[in-house]
Amino acid sequence: KNEVEQSPQNLTAQEGEFITINCSYSVGISALHWLQQHPGGGIVSLFMLSSGKKKHGRLIATINIQEKHSSLHITASHPRDSAVYICAVTTGTASKLTFGTGTRLQVTL
Amino acid sequence: EADIYQTPRYLVIGTGKKITLECSQTMGHDKMYWYQQDPGMELHLIHYSYGVNSTEKGDLSSESTVSRIRTEHFPLTLESARPSHTSQYLCASSDLRKNYGYTFGSGTRLTVV
Repeated sequence: KNEVEQSPQNLTAQEGEFITINCSYSVGISALHWLQQHPGGGIVSLFMLSSGKKKHGRLIATINIQEKHSSLHITASHPRDSAVYICAVTTGTASKLTFGTGTRLQVTL
Repeated sequence: EADIYQTPRYLVIGTGKKITLECSQTMGHDKMYWYQQDPGMELHLIHYSYGVNSTEKGDLSSESTVSRIRTEHFPLTLESARPSHTSQYLCASSDLRKNYGYTFGSGTRLTVV
């Protein structure tokens, strides 16, 4: 069992839909990260969370430390949101990332 | 605006050649990392550094080597490239005190023929 599990693995949505991607982890963490990778592209760090909720534009990330669970929400989705979204955690004082398997999102017109 | 720079962006090279992938960051981050990623696959940590003159091997065995002589510079070297080294190599740096934690470079897509 992976230490970081994401669901769903693949997601197709129509433009304008509200999207949720889930991440569960099984270890104690110092922070949880949401990353975005466009096809053939580099990786952009969207959020780093250790508690509560963060919002940036149409993106919202939440974390429940007790339940070891985080969600990434995209409101009013757009085709340019099509990408792979990766959940990752850092543990203890180490800064190395442990990655989830990623969620491939396709937003269609 | 990129704060971490990788060169080259694409590289096609023959088997047996020595290559160095460059990575530089302007943020003063102590921690830097090299990840390897095959198309559509997960990222794997191959090297990391917690500061000048500090380098460690990552979770994935790699025939590459790294050096960290200056804070801003973390090059990765393959002494003798092989087709099995064909992959994307991503450099990153981190400061978990900052809002986003990690910053990634645009990657180097390496093809060994």
